[in-house]
Amino acid sequence: DGGITQSPKYLFRKEGQNVTLSCEQNLNHDAMYWYRQDPGQGLRLIYYSQIVNDFQKGDIAEGYSVSREKKESFPLTVTSAQKNPTAFYLCASSPAGTSGGVNEQYFGPGTRLTVT
Amino acid sequence: QKEVEQDPGPLSVPEGAIVSLNCTYSNSAFQYFMWYRQYSRKGPELLMYTYSSGNKEDGRFTAQVDKSSKYISLFIRDSQPSDSATYLCAMSGTSFQKLVFGTGTRLLVSP
Repeated sequence: DGGITQSPKYLFRKEGQNVTLSCEQNLNHDAMYWYRQDPGQGLRLIYYSQIVNDFQKGDIAEGYSVSREKKESFPLTVTSAQKNPTAFYLCASSPAGTSGGVNEQYFGPGTRLTVT
Repeated sequence: QKEVEQDPGPLSVPEGAIVSLNCTYSNSAFQYFMWYRQYSRKGPELLMYTYSSGNKEDGRFTAQVDKSSKYISLFIRDSQPSDSATYLCAMSGTSFQKLVFGTGTRLLVSP
């Protein structure tokens, strides 16, 4: 059963703590993405990776970090430097990598992070 | 001005109605156009994607692109209460480029 999994579904943290969100895909997709969704603002790109061991900043990368050590996995760390971390975080993958192609993206179920 | 504009709604229709959801965009380089459906507290689900201009049909859904007007539409025929969700448009240029998303239109279909 192919797809994208994100865990946990809900996450609660105290201010000042770093937290890592998991994203795994078994679609054999080259590219993976992290988005943040806030009410009324749509999807904003945090980081993306087109190939293993390489990733690029998106539009709102400050306060976040990622790694891409395996094709299947693209974890996102929300650091204490992120000023407004409470949001719905979405991971996506796409078959389009460095060779180009249609960039249709498939999303995971999301992680709702609440920082107090 | 945002690159992609989408009316947030909500758009309320009775069951069985034909629904028209729309996005306008400003970047003439966009070539690929996608529609996603997102239920509350879930990840977006890819419904359809089209390349360049024209129509594409899949069951009750029809996607239409008018590049001359920089306008795309998603039509839903015989709408059902289960179609109640937020619909996001997304688009990109050729080859590997980041998707640019609209903010979504909330659709409510009442029985």
